[in-house]
Order: sequence, then C-alpha cells, then structure tokens
Amino acid sequence: DTGVSQDPRHKITKRGQNVTFRCDPISEHNRLYWYRQTLGQGPEFLTYFQNEAQLEKSRLLSDRFSAERPKGSFSTLEIQRTEQGDSAMYLCAIRGGNTEAFFGQGTRLTVV
Amino acid sequence: AQSVTQLDSQVPVFEEAPVELRCNYSSSVSVYLFWYVQYPNQGLQLLLKYLSGSTLVKGINGFEAEFNKSQTSFHLRKPSVHISDTAEYFCAVIQGAQKLVFGQGTRLTINP
Repeated sequence: DTGVSQDPRHKITKRGQNVTFRCDPISEHNRLYWYRQTLGQGPEFLTYFQNEAQLEKSRLLSDRFSAERPKGSFSTLEIQRTEQGDSAMYLCAIRGGNTEAFFGQGTRLTVV
Repeated sequence: AQSVTQLDSQVPVFEEAPVELRCNYSSSVSVYLFWYVQYPNQGLQLLLKYLSGSTLVKGINGFEAEFNKSQTSFHLRKPSVHISDTAEYFCAVIQGAQKLVFGQGTRLTINP
C-alpha cells in the first residue's frame, strides 16, 4: 500500500468521449503529481499541485486536459474529446518535503 | 532542464548472476536520485534513494546503487538476481524544481 488510491484502474472509452480520473491520497501530502506513461516509456510529467494550487503544467497537457485539487486533498484529471493518442497509463503521486514520491497503481486508459 | 539517460533499454541475465543497470543524469548541481521498479500493470515502487551522505545506498530486495558525482551516474546493482526481479526499472532525478524526471526505463529479464 503506497498510500495513494486511483480510480478507476482501467477505463475503455470511445474516441471523442470525456473521461475523468480520481486520485485519493490516504494521508496528507502537500504535493500531488500527475504523470502519463505510454508503453515502453518512462513516466512523463503532466502537472503538479502544492496544496490546492496548480503550480506547473507540462506542454504535454493540451487544452483538452484539466486537473483540479479543490481542497488540497484528492485530485481529478479530466480529458475531453479523447483521442487514440491519449491511450496510456495515468499515474498519480504524492510527495511531502524533500522525500521520495509515492505512486498509485495508475489508471490505464484505452481509447477505441 | 535536467534529464536522465538509462543506457540499456533491455538487460537479460541468468538467475543468480550479478546485474548492473546504468543511469546517468545531466545536472551538475545537487540532486536527489531515485530508482523505482514497476511490475506489469502496476504503479512504481521505490527501490532506493540518494539524498545526501554516503554515496553507496542500499535499498529493498537486495539492490544497491552508487552515486558518482564526477561521472554524474547512479548505477543500480544486485549481486545475485532472482526470477522475481523481472520488471521495468526507472532511474529518476529531482533537482531544484519540484518534479521527478524519469529515464526511459530498463527492462530486466531473468532467465532460468
């Protein structure tokens, strides 16, 4: 148990549909990250929050992507008008202070 | 921006043989370095970390890594591998900025 729960674990959606993923840290950590991992690649940074403030967004995060962390606890990542290129594993991680990041199990998205 | 290079995309070894997975990073200033392991369809699990102090760090499952500042390397080693070590291994760095930057990963395959 890494202390990070992601839901759903798997999502299959048709191209053009909207999807939303949720990340729930079990304990309080002020930093929360979203990463995307495609097959055979390392995780790529998407965005990060310090408490409820979204402090950095990657250029990978097109305007179809939006992330929120409304109360500084759980976070959601929404993808609008999904495309086949969005198929990937979406990973959430938490980090407190100058320590390692703890990752959830990920949400595997398949766009058909 | 910092970057991480994992020099081998795949490493096949026989069971009980030693293994070294290579990692080089680009930054010349102080960094935090990590190795993560990922089993199929799972999130990332921390193997070990270097924050400061001794350059030889020991992690879980018998793995260790050596931080070499002059060569900007952080190679992962295990003296005797087991079938259960078959997985994808990722080297990552944090420097200044708050996000982890990952290498492309090394697939370790253990043959009986």
